[in-house]
Parts: sequence; C-alpha cells; structure tokens
Amino acid sequence: EAQVTQNPRYLITVTGKKLTVTCSQNMNHEYMSWYRQDPGLGLRQIYYSMNVEVTDKGDVPEGYKVSRKEKRNFPLILESPSPNQTSLYFCASSPASGTRAYNEQFFGPGTRLTVL
Amino acid sequence: DAKTTQPTSMDCAEGRAANLPCNHSTISGNEYVYWYRQIHSQGPQYIIHGLKNNETNEMASLIITEDRKSSTLILPHATLRDTAVYYCIVRVAQFTGTASKLTFGTGTRLQVTL
Repeated sequence: EAQVTQNPRYLITVTGKKLTVTCSQNMNHEYMSWYRQDPGLGLRQIYYSMNVEVTDKGDVPEGYKVSRKEKRNFPLILESPSPNQTSLYFCASSPASGTRAYNEQFFGPGTRLTVL
Repeated sequence: DAKTTQPTSMDCAEGRAANLPCNHSTISGNEYVYWYRQIHSQGPQYIIHGLKNNETNEMASLIITEDRKSSTLILPHATLRDTAVYYCIVRVAQFTGTASKLTFGTGTRLQVTL
C-alpha cells in the first residue's frame, strides 16, 4: 500500500531532551516536507526537501533540523525541544517535478508531540 | 497564492450531494484550484484539482465558474465518513522551492448526518 508513515504517533517529552520523529514514504517521491498544525494557525511548513541531500527552510524552521540521506526517509529532529514546539506534526511527500501542475501531496497520519 | 473564502460550516444529510463553495476572486491565470480535506486530526487528504474545466474523479467533482472567480466541490453521495474540514487552495502550478508548500485557510467544516 502506498503510504507515508510517521513514528511515533504520540510523544510526551520534557524540555531539552533531544528527539527524532521519523517519516518514510514508499512511493519513490522526490519531494518531502514537514508541517506543524496548531489551533488558529493552520498548517505551517517547517522544512522541505526537493530531493536527496537537498533541504531548505520553510516558514517556521527555528528549533528544528532535518536530513535527507535517502529518498524514502525524511526525519525531523528537535535538538532541544521547548514547550512552544508542542504541536501536531505532519510529514508529506509528492511526486514533484519542476513545473508539473499535478502535484498532490500525500500526508502521513500525524505525530502529536507534547513538550513539558 | 490567491486568497480563498469558504463558509465556516455546512451540514448535509447522508446520501445527499454536498456542495461546498469557494470564492477566489483574485485568482491568476496560472493558478490551479486544489481541494483537500482533513478528517479529525488525521493527515490532510488530496481530493481533486482543476484549472478551468470541470473535473471529476472517484471522490468528487469540481465545478469552476467561467470567470474562475469561484468553484464548487461536489460530493455526490455524502456518507458519515465524509465528515471533515474541507480546504480550498489556490496555487501556482510550479513546484519549486517555497512554492511547494500548501497553505490551508480555515476551511469548511462539513457535518454529514443521518
């Protein structure tokens, strides 16, 4: 089944304890992205990657790191989590290619993170 | 990307057609209309997209007015599982750099009832 998977789905942690949220897709998509969703603020892009070893900042990258060593994986790293990073996180992928119009994004199930 | 306006909420009886409107009066010639939905805190799900012609797929139909200033998403036979927040997004076709991100507004909360 074509899908985007995220782990863990739920995580409660404490301030300053490094954590990684994994994201994997099995559709051979070039493009991957991380979003966070907060009440009243909608979906905001954290980082994105157009291909392996190519990553760039989205709208809210502060406090996050990413890597894209393999096409299928795009982990989100919080080196020193803080309470304002408590949020619902989504990973997405897309068969993006340049100016192609049809670029639907496939989303993972989400990771609900609480930082105490 | 052009701004969109959607009603905050709508109700629909199960089995009936759900018609969700979206206004995008400032849409540019190279911008597409996309629809996504999000079922309670799950990952958003792509539904359909179009440029100027009406489109239909296994999930829904998209009707775009001739002047492209508004569109309607039609779920022909709504079921309880279609209860979700529906987002209308207008964006350029190019998928490079920051143009890749999806910007969701507040959407329309569709409640399908028995």
